[in-house]
Amino acid sequence: QTVVTQEPSFSVSPGGTVTLTCGLSSGSVSTAYYPSWYRQTPGQAPRTLIYRTDTRSSGVPDRFSGSILGNTAALTITGAQADDDSDYYCVLYMGSGISVFGAGTKLTVL
Amino acid sequence: QLQLQESGPGLVKPSETLSLTCSVSGGSISSSGHYWDWIRQPPGKGLEWIGTIFYRGNTYYNPSLNSRVTISVDTSKNHFSLKLSSVTAADTAVYYCARRVSLTWYYDLWGRGTLVTVSS
Repeated sequence: QTVVTQEPSFSVSPGGTVTLTCGLSSGSVSTAYYPSWYRQTPGQAPRTLIYRTDTRSSGVPDRFSGSILGNTAALTITGAQADDDSDYYCVLYMGSGISVFGAGTKLTVL
Repeated sequence: QLQLQESGPGLVKPSETLSLTCSVSGGSISSSGHYWDWIRQPPGKGLEWIGTIFYRGNTYYNPSLNSRVTISVDTSKNHFSLKLSSVTAADTAVYYCARRVSLTWYYDLWGRGTLVTVSS
């Protein structure tokens, strides 16, 4: 079964820039996987940040951006803020109605 | 504004069947532009896709859960449901329902989630 890979953890300083990645255990991520990104804080449902690789969801500030970086999908956060301290999940569409979540990246802002 | 709300027992005994319903309010479940999904999150762990249904009844399931999962839809009641059979403690999780947009395959709407604990 295909595994979607993410960094388990990452840290960034306030005001800094960080890029989280979303890869495949076998093969390369492309736009055909319709990568999307979600942020989740403890006890809350996920919030949509990015879809279709690089489209920001309504209300998401432009310091969040999505892209394809080499063979992975990427989420870049510029000007990190304290409330960006969250878990971040990517989702890839595998076709035939099936989506797969990455294991998530715990981002610490300190 | 369309909202999703999960409901069902918060405690299920091992080997029994977990049953949850997601009620859709403020809009119709009979949308050709959306799929309706179940996703779960064990305590302290990541999100796992369980499966999806289209309002016409087409279903797709996570291969790792396929033999135990049934998702159904009732358009007259504007809700869809999840059944997971032969549960064990490993099925203890927060269960979310969510709306997925067709053709771009992302989640644009989430329920608040409901915790289901499997224990005798």
